[in-house]
Order: sequence, then C-alpha cells, then structure tokens
Amino acid sequence: QQPVQSPQAVILREGEDAVINCSSSKALYSVHWYRQKHGEAPVFLMILLKGGEQKGHEKISASFNEKKQQSSLYLTASQLSYSGTYFCGTDHREGSGGSNYKLTFGKGTLLTVNP
Amino acid sequence: KAGVTQTPRYLIKTRGQQVTLSCSPISGHRSVSWYQQTPGQGLQFLFEYFSETQRNKGNFPGRFSGRQFSNSRSEMNVSTLELGDSALYLCASSLRSPNTEAFFGQGTRLTVV
Repeated sequence: QQPVQSPQAVILREGEDAVINCSSSKALYSVHWYRQKHGEAPVFLMILLKGGEQKGHEKISASFNEKKQQSSLYLTASQLSYSGTYFCGTDHREGSGGSNYKLTFGKGTLLTVNP
Repeated sequence: KAGVTQTPRYLIKTRGQQVTLSCSPISGHRSVSWYQQTPGQGLQFLFEYFSETQRNKGNFPGRFSGRQFSNSRSEMNVSTLELGDSALYLCASSLRSPNTEAFFGQGTRLTVV
C-alpha cells in the first residue's frame, strides 16, 4: 500500500518553513525520507524507527506517530538548496528481522524554494 | 569511495525486445534494491537482493526479474518490453537492510518505442 504524501507541491521563499506529511493505512515499522533533485538520484535524509529512534545527518527534523501511522518532515528556515522532490518510504514489517523488508514510497512532494 | 554505478545510463528498445540493466553497489554493501520511477507513480519497488538471494519483490509481472552475483553486483532483466515499461530504473545499495541508509545510483533511463 503506497503511503500518501501531502501536500503534493509547495512553494516557499527562502527562510520560510514547511511541513511535509506522510500517512499510511497500515501499521508502520519505520519511515524513510529521501530528497531528489531534478535529474539526480534520491538522497537519504532520515530514518525514523518504531520506538522513537531517529537516524539522520542533515539539519532537518521529523516526527513519527506510530498510533496515527503518520510521519512529518519539518524543513525550517528553508534554503535554496532544499528545493527538490521529497519522498517518504514506509516499511510495514513486523518485528526487527530482515525478512519481508520492502520500502514502499509515496508519490513525492515537490518543494520549490525561491529567493 | 565510489558510489552506486548503473549501466547503461540511457537505453532505447523496441516493443517485444528484452533488456538487461546492471547495478554495481558501493563496495561492502550486500543489499541491492531496484525501483521503477515514472512521473505518475513515483518510486515503485521491484525487488531486493541480499547475499545473492531475492528477499522480497514488489507487484510487478514476471517479465521483470533480477539476480545478484557473489560480488553483490546485480542485474535486472525485463523481457517482452511494453511501452509502459518506459521509466527511470534506479537501484539502491545499503550495507544491510533493514533500516540503514540506502544509496541510489543515477539510474538507467529506458525508453520503449
């Protein structure tokens, strides 16, 4: 089941904030966030795990609400370099084993940051 | 270190033909996943290989197949190509899965005419 992302597109001015949401109809084990610039490969932003652990290496924050089966990506004080399409990927495995691992991505949110 | 390498970068094929795409993961990475990206559907999971074994697959017809070699390099094959198979095919490698950062290649742009 493909997760639903909202909004589909957002336009910001440099310095403004944005929130991108990702919701699933199935229980989530983890949520992964990637950003893809036009003509480039998707780049890892963050992983949020059931139980609250987060792994990421950029100045971007996110939340993971297990009960609501939702995740939100928070982009604060946006920079021109934040422009791109943001994808959330959801993992619905039960347990922590490696089998049945499958990342299902949403259709993406196009973020445009203007000067 | 070298990133994920996909070859070829661009490919034009005729309906009914078959095609093989290649992906060389980052050295030491054992997991390789394949995705199809189209404007309408976004990134769709094809399959994942770990240590030469297919561990999971998406909802694609049997015309789509893959394999992984002992050096972790992976190939994807599409037989009896259809116009709808035109897409960007991305592979991603990670040290192990699940829940580790995946590194994507630049993709192979396949056009079926």
